[in-house]
Amino acid sequence: QQQVKQSPQSLIVQKGGISIINCAYENTAFDYFPWYQQFPGKGPALLIAIRPDVSEKKEGRFTISFNKSAKQFSLHIMDSQPGDSATYFCAASGNYGQNFVFGPGTRLSVLP
Amino acid sequence: DTAVSQTPKYLVTQMGNDKSIKCEQNLGHDTMYWYKQDSKKFLKIMFSYNNKELIINETVPNRFSPKSPDKAHLNLHINSLELGDSAVYFCASSQARADGGYTFGSGTRLTVV
Repeated sequence: QQQVKQSPQSLIVQKGGISIINCAYENTAFDYFPWYQQFPGKGPALLIAIRPDVSEKKEGRFTISFNKSAKQFSLHIMDSQPGDSATYFCAASGNYGQNFVFGPGTRLSVLP
Repeated sequence: DTAVSQTPKYLVTQMGNDKSIKCEQNLGHDTMYWYKQDSKKFLKIMFSYNNKELIINETVPNRFSPKSPDKAHLNLHINSLELGDSAVYFCASSQARADGGYTFGSGTRLTVV
């Protein structure tokens, strides 16, 4: 119940395309869903996050879509750029900001 | 700069040695964590700690121990290092009852030879 599943494991997108990464969870007590971006040699950094009271949140080219009934959420990267090439982790927390459970990560490569 | 800082960035050591990794945060967060990231990039929680409670992932060998001298520091001590301990270790912090998620340090790459 504490697991967060993430797919795909890896993703290759052409520059200008849309990158979509999906996550699913089981624990209905989760109430905060962030996405993290990690570049090689760096720690993960918070990219965007959503609470279950909204179905979508957009920040620039990054959008989270949230489906509470299906217990799924996804990250959409519009107009993907080579600089977006990184590993992306979804996460979930039921402790209002503590003790996150992470998905296994998606390695995104954006081709120039 | 407000951040989570951990040292050293790289650590190469022989099997059987004891080593420590230091972590400090100046964000005023009340909870700190240690994560292990393996070669497949999977982030595994090792410990979470605030001034009230230490939560240990039961799969973590007791050779690993967190030490917190104060709210802003959470160091990781590892005894009798093994080859399988080679990984990148991340310190992170967060604030309870607040948005923003984790702030991660830049990681310590531990190589046991």
